[in-house]
Amino acid sequence: AQTVTQSQPEMSVQEAETVTLSCTYDTSENNYYLFWYKQPPSRQMILVIRQEAYKQQNATENRFSVNFQKAAKSFSLKISDSQLGDTAMYFCAFMKHESGNKLVFGAGTILRVKS
Amino acid sequence: DTEVTQTPKHLVMGMTNKKSLKCEQHMGHRAMYWYKQKAKKPPELMFVYSYEKLSINESVPSRFSPECPNSSLLNLHLHALQPEDSALYLCASSQGQGARKNIQYFGAGTRLSVL
Repeated sequence: AQTVTQSQPEMSVQEAETVTLSCTYDTSENNYYLFWYKQPPSRQMILVIRQEAYKQQNATENRFSVNFQKAAKSFSLKISDSQLGDTAMYFCAFMKHESGNKLVFGAGTILRVKS
Repeated sequence: DTEVTQTPKHLVMGMTNKKSLKCEQHMGHRAMYWYKQKAKKPPELMFVYSYEKLSINESVPSRFSPECPNSSLLNLHLHALQPEDSALYLCASSQGQGARKNIQYFGAGTRLSVL
């Protein structure tokens, strides 16, 4: 079975600074997908970024980028120019190819952006 | 439009009540999901419907009964719940399964309290 580990329960960052959230996963699969989801206090889960394991190039979405290290089974999220609206719980998630779209979530990291 | 609408937003019910949660999407998605989320924990998958057929049931107790009347609508019928079933219930949908179609879009959830 796959497992996803987020080793940082809580983090803080000053507005406009850069922060990196860690995620590692354990799998014997070669074909899979990785996701970062954000859940603000308003509770709606929003997709931040998605990575396909067969792609070596790291995914980026505006201020959000990932460092995907397949051999190390690591998938960290970097948030540049942090904004107050980035305050949320961030979940890293794994999906095996042809798994019926089953997402396996990590425990989450609470990120607080301070002014 | 990436909206998944869940009603009601809040629900309080007794252990002998019967109630239903509703989820609707008009994005033409053919896969829909129910998750249960306890406070400060990641979502736990309960059910997956693919093309209106139940494809995954994560050994959920029979007091939770899902229904997918059509491709846009997903219901979760609740009966004889226990206080430990109190949680945020999230609905999600995706285009389908496999690469490019497996991004899940979440609703805002129904906060359920069982007294």
